[in-house]
Amino acid sequence: QVTLRESGPALVKPTQTLTLTCTFSGFSLSTSGMCVSWIRQPPGKALEWLALIDWDDDKYYSTSLKTRLTISKDTSKNQVVLTMTNMDPVDTATYYCARDSSGNNGMDVWGQGTTVTVSS
Amino acid sequence: EIVLTQSPATLSLSPGERATLSCRASQSVSSYLAWYQQKPGQAPRLLIYDASNRATGIPARFSGSGSGTDFTLTISSLEPEDFAVYYCQQRSNWPEITFGQGTRLEIK
Repeated sequence: QVTLRESGPALVKPTQTLTLTCTFSGFSLSTSGMCVSWIRQPPGKALEWLALIDWDDDKYYSTSLKTRLTISKDTSKNQVVLTMTNMDPVDTATYYCARDSSGNNGMDVWGQGTTVTVSS
Repeated sequence: EIVLTQSPATLSLSPGERATLSCRASQSVSSYLAWYQQKPGQAPRLLIYDASNRATGIPARFSGSGSGTDFTLTISSLEPEDFAVYYCQQRSNWPEITFGQGTRLEIK
């Protein structure tokens, strides 16, 4: 069974750096074609893709946020970490990680999401 | 960036009716389009990938069609659990993925 779970702080202050961890099981991020994406959703708004890391440790970022994002993986721990610098209240959202692939199979398994509020 | 426009924003139907949701891309995405369902307080769930392939465990009443710039998600006969928000997602210029703004399917 494939599962993913996001963890991180529920509250961060403006200008701080957010660090989120996605812990997964049931698949290996060393397997060719496997990827993990991060997606966020502000309250009442649409989904926004943020970043992706693949089995070969290639990293990809949303053009609009790439200067603020860093994605990394620890294959031995089955974890993917996303950092976002210079947090602002507009970054308040639910952050999801999802299993993805280099093919066109879509994001087939999602974590339950973690809600992050940016406020002083 | 490829922009996806979903219509209508809100669709009001009754159980048993047929639902037709539209997604239009600002440029061709070939068949690299997926559909997701999201219920309140839950993560999205993959319904359709590659425009017309149902994901594992998705009921046959859900179908996807289209290619290029115009896509449709059809729910043949609405069940009470189908009332949710639906998002399309393009993967044509993967990994620069984009989502539509969503269609809310509500009970009439």
